[in-house]
Amino acid sequence: SQELEQSPQSLIVQEGKNLTINCTSSKTLYGLYWYKQKYGEGLIFLMMLQKGGEEKSHEKITAKLDEKKQQSSLHITASQPSHAGIYLCGADWPQGGSEKLVFGKGTKLTVNP
Amino acid sequence: NAGVTQTPKFQVLKTGQSMTLQCAQDMNHNSMYWYRQDPGMGLRLIYYSASEGTTDKGEVPNGYNVSRLNKREFSLRLESAAPSQTSVYFCASSEGVTRFFGPGTRLTVL
Repeated sequence: SQELEQSPQSLIVQEGKNLTINCTSSKTLYGLYWYKQKYGEGLIFLMMLQKGGEEKSHEKITAKLDEKKQQSSLHITASQPSHAGIYLCGADWPQGGSEKLVFGKGTKLTVNP
Repeated sequence: NAGVTQTPKFQVLKTGQSMTLQCAQDMNHNSMYWYRQDPGMGLRLIYYSASEGTTDKGEVPNGYNVSRLNKREFSLRLESAAPSQTSVYFCASSEGVTRFFGPGTRLTVL
């Protein structure tokens, strides 16, 4: 069963617009990771969140982890064509080892100039 | 620092053929992983190696074998390729919680 749900599956926005991608777990997370994948390439690590309520930023991308540590959101401000790609969240749970990192199915972002 | 490198980048096989996907990392990481990525399925763990000399099955190990040749290298072997193994394969390494991924191998099995 899919333990991580990402929404939306795909998103098309106009350059300059803000957007949010969500990642939801049915269980309390140990760690939540955000990766970006450009088409036909590998995954690039963006951020990792571990504490409830934690928020981190990387350039114009901000990720938050809710207090219950079951949902994370990734927010892009003033999107640019360079933000286009597939965003994946990954998570592990307290009862699993570090090898148990599970990924969501990804959100495909298109930014139109 | 090349990070994680994979060879080949692309491969086409016929059903029943065998091949080995190579992966190497130069970050001195203990842990290495093989994932496959399929449309609508996300990334799924095939095998992982927590340290040199050890390997363990992940979520989808059937049809694959792995070898942790040394600390740097972790190879994935398909003994008898099947069309269901058409996918993009990613190798990753980690020291601690963050995984670093290679560029991927796009494999098609006809």
